[in-house]
Amino acid sequence: DAKTTQPTSMDCAEGRAANLPCNHSTISGNEYVYWYRQIHSQGPQYIIHGLKNNETNEMASLIITEDRKSSTLILPHATLRDTAVYYCIVRVGAGNQGGKLIFGQGTELSVKP
Amino acid sequence: GAVVSQHPSWVICKSGTSVKIECRSLDFQATTMFWYRQFPKQSLMLMATSNEGSKATYEQGVEKDKFLINHASLTLSTLTVTSAHPEDSSFYICSASSGLGEAFFGQGTRLTVV
Repeated sequence: DAKTTQPTSMDCAEGRAANLPCNHSTISGNEYVYWYRQIHSQGPQYIIHGLKNNETNEMASLIITEDRKSSTLILPHATLRDTAVYYCIVRVGAGNQGGKLIFGQGTELSVKP
Repeated sequence: GAVVSQHPSWVICKSGTSVKIECRSLDFQATTMFWYRQFPKQSLMLMATSNEGSKATYEQGVEKDKFLINHASLTLSTLTVTSAHPEDSSFYICSASSGLGEAFFGQGTRLTVV
């Protein structure tokens, strides 16, 4: 699976949009971009995933560049409860060890009042 | 999303004893389950992949005789830490996949070996 690069930490003001970048320049054509987050002392929580089109759900939006070498997770109105470590993971989709995720260091997002 | 439950949430055991951690998928059948370990201030490290009815596949550097994994049914996988030592103290997390999409994680088990 391709390697990802994320900033170590970011701050965001409560109520503002949080934009978390991820570089995955070695991504292959059949690899998806997944985002998970981990709130302190809890198991990771699935947020969103995509292949090449932008995706949106009730939690966030995922913007993938046309060349697929980078992506941005957008939390439209960050709250204090969004403070967590956010992981961007690239992997082949379901069917090939479906669910196996290799975690990098992630981005520690701090949402401040 | 789907629910994955781990038990216990935390456990304290004496050095030299064994500890069993359970991971259950509550509302779907998990063909594959994964076990991770996480030390303080570090990311999750994949330990092993277990498929229902077959032997687990361990990641490089993980001792299979120390971390026994059993995936006897489509809803239950267990991780047994044998002859636990203080260096095994960690946060153990499981995830489950139906093979159709994303994996879902349990809430984690905090193991402290004294």
